[in-house]
Amino acid sequence: DGGITQSPKYLFRKEGQNVTLSCEQNLNHDAMYWYRQDPGQGLRLIYYSQIVNDFQKGDIAEGYSVSREKKESFPLTVTSAQKNPTAFYLCASSITSSGDEQYFGPGTRLTVT
Amino acid sequence: AQSVAQPEDQVNVAEGNPLTVKCTYSVSGNPYLFWYVQYPNRGLQFLLKYITGDNLVKGSYGFEAEFNKSQTSFHLKKPSALVSDSALYFCAVRDIAQGGKLIFGQGTELSVKP
Repeated sequence: DGGITQSPKYLFRKEGQNVTLSCEQNLNHDAMYWYRQDPGQGLRLIYYSQIVNDFQKGDIAEGYSVSREKKESFPLTVTSAQKNPTAFYLCASSITSSGDEQYFGPGTRLTVT
Repeated sequence: AQSVAQPEDQVNVAEGNPLTVKCTYSVSGNPYLFWYVQYPNRGLQFLLKYITGDNLVKGSYGFEAEFNKSQTSFHLKKPSALVSDSALYFCAVRDIAQGGKLIFGQGTELSVKP
């Protein structure tokens, strides 16, 4: 899982609560990404950031928010507006946003009841 | 739009036999192709990539992949499968125009039996 940490590994929340997932990297990478994984659907991009203080919506950004105040940190907030938040969330980073491979964290499994 | 397809949900192989996990892609321009492996409840591990150059790419753990431009394929291969290779495998293409995001296939579950 390289130099990317995600915490916590498992997270349980009640419906209607916002929750923030942590992602930290010590690889000095410029680009960071959040993906959501659901069974049988592969991974889908939520948000990405190519540089500090800048981020862009991915394919499924509704109900999520992010910040990129520091190069090494890219937290994801799952808001109460996300209709189906229960999923496995993966954070990734790469040196740049061009052809380099992305390195993934160990993931956070969020369960909302 | 860029896309990746993995036509097989599951591949079953006997230990010691060669394995192939299939991937086809559709991109505009030159493809940046990747293979990742995922073990249960873990993040994805990078196996190999094709950016340019030789069509046969060698990666981690004895895996290799063959880039075929005419067939728009990037199949993952290994000459002799191990039980420990059993995992979920993802093919992906990098979309440089959209922040370098990875577009993933649905994944292929590889099961290697002793």
